[in-house]
Amino acid sequence: AQSVTQPDIHITVSEGASLELRCNYSYGATPYLFWYVQSPGQGLQLLLKYFSGDTLVQGIKGFEAEFKRSQSSFNLRKPSVHWSDAAEYFCAVLSGNTGKLIFGQGTTLQVKP
Amino acid sequence: DVKVTQSSRYLVKRTGEKVFLECVQDMDHENMFWYRQDPGLGLRLIYFSYDVKMKEKGDIPEGYSVSREKKERFSLILESASTNQTSMYLCASSSGGSRNTIYFGEGSWLTVV
Repeated sequence: AQSVTQPDIHITVSEGASLELRCNYSYGATPYLFWYVQSPGQGLQLLLKYFSGDTLVQGIKGFEAEFKRSQSSFNLRKPSVHWSDAAEYFCAVLSGNTGKLIFGQGTTLQVKP
Repeated sequence: DVKVTQSSRYLVKRTGEKVFLECVQDMDHENMFWYRQDPGLGLRLIYFSYDVKMKEKGDIPEGYSVSREKKERFSLILESASTNQTSMYLCASSSGGSRNTIYFGEGSWLTVV
């Protein structure tokens, strides 16, 4: 069955520190992968997506993610976190040809001053 | 920019009431989706639609129905609201095909008392 796992429910980092949010997927074919961010009380904003090609994908707000097929992972990274990055982050995989997204449980990021 | 608009951001309804959540997109997208978001569970798909008057059940359709009379509008209906339907509801849309980004609305917070 298709699924997405985000092992970390909650992460706290200091402002200026580097960040890595983990995402593992289970999918039979080539996955189409996404990271979304959700600020409190808001909808989801797309950070980046991977469909094919270069496995290192650049997104908005200084984020990047690396697709590793051998590890079934699509981890999100940022070299230096800003206080405004505090939010909930969702990894998702596109399900087949249906256009539906399967989401992980989400990771809440807290940024310490 | 794609705009997905959910007309009601915050609603409080009584148990047993019929509830309508409205969603409009302005990009002529074929696909529209309704997700429900709950803490620790991520986003779960309730219903989706590929075209006018077409609908498909998602993962958790029980207690919900949908209507798509016009391409730009996708309504979620709770026939008889219950307290376990208290949640955040997110509408989304995407253009046709399998490799397209899904865009989300701001969300509707529904409390059933």
